[in-house]
Amino acid sequence: DILMTQSPSSVSASVGDRVTITCRASQDIGGWLAWYQQIPGKAPKLLIHGASTLQGGVPSRFSGSGSGTDFTLTISSLQPEDFATYYCQLANNLPFTFGGGTKVEVK
Amino acid sequence: QITLKESGPTLVKPTQTLTLTCTFSGFSLTTNGVGVAWIRQSPGEALEWLAIIFWDDDTRYNPSLKSRLTVTKDTSKNQVVLTVTNMDPVDTATYYCAHRQDWNYFDYWGQGTLVTASS
Repeated sequence: DILMTQSPSSVSASVGDRVTITCRASQDIGGWLAWYQQIPGKAPKLLIHGASTLQGGVPSRFSGSGSGTDFTLTISSLQPEDFATYYCQLANNLPFTFGGGTKVEVK
Repeated sequence: QITLKESGPTLVKPTQTLTLTCTFSGFSLTTNGVGVAWIRQSPGEALEWLAIIFWDDDTRYNPSLKSRLTVTKDTSKNQVVLTVTNMDPVDTATYYCAHRQDWNYFDYWGQGTLVTASS
């Protein structure tokens, strides 16, 4: 199975900060990666697919980049509603593994 | 508008079989490319992908749980059913069903249902 490793596991930030989260795959997955946001008590929300394509309705402050084994989710200017946990997900190989998550907390 | 909702027991005893139903609307599981997945999340833990069923009845499972999982669909009722045998306390989790967008991304999710495995 392909392992998906996120870092950091948590990050403390303030409103307006630029936040970057990394996801590393244990082998080349091309661009087959998604990012999700999960607010406590809620279902995950798809933010980005194909490593860099913004899902409809997602604010443009979210962006994704990378290919192969290394991927990045960037929030350009953190908003109050962005404090949440973020997960990456492998999409081209079974099982469709999720990363361990990165919690974005208030500094 | 696509919606999904999970239903089933909130409490099962160890060794029992869990059966959850995902009832959906806004799409058909007979349409080429469509799929419904099951994903779970233990309290305080990360998401774990369990299984997926496709429009053509192709079904894939997480190898770590494959021997215990079964997913079926009833297209006339717009339902997908997940069965987990031999439940254990470590299977305590919120179970989600989700709609597969193209290329195995999950764009619509149910609200989730918390299942506790305890005697």
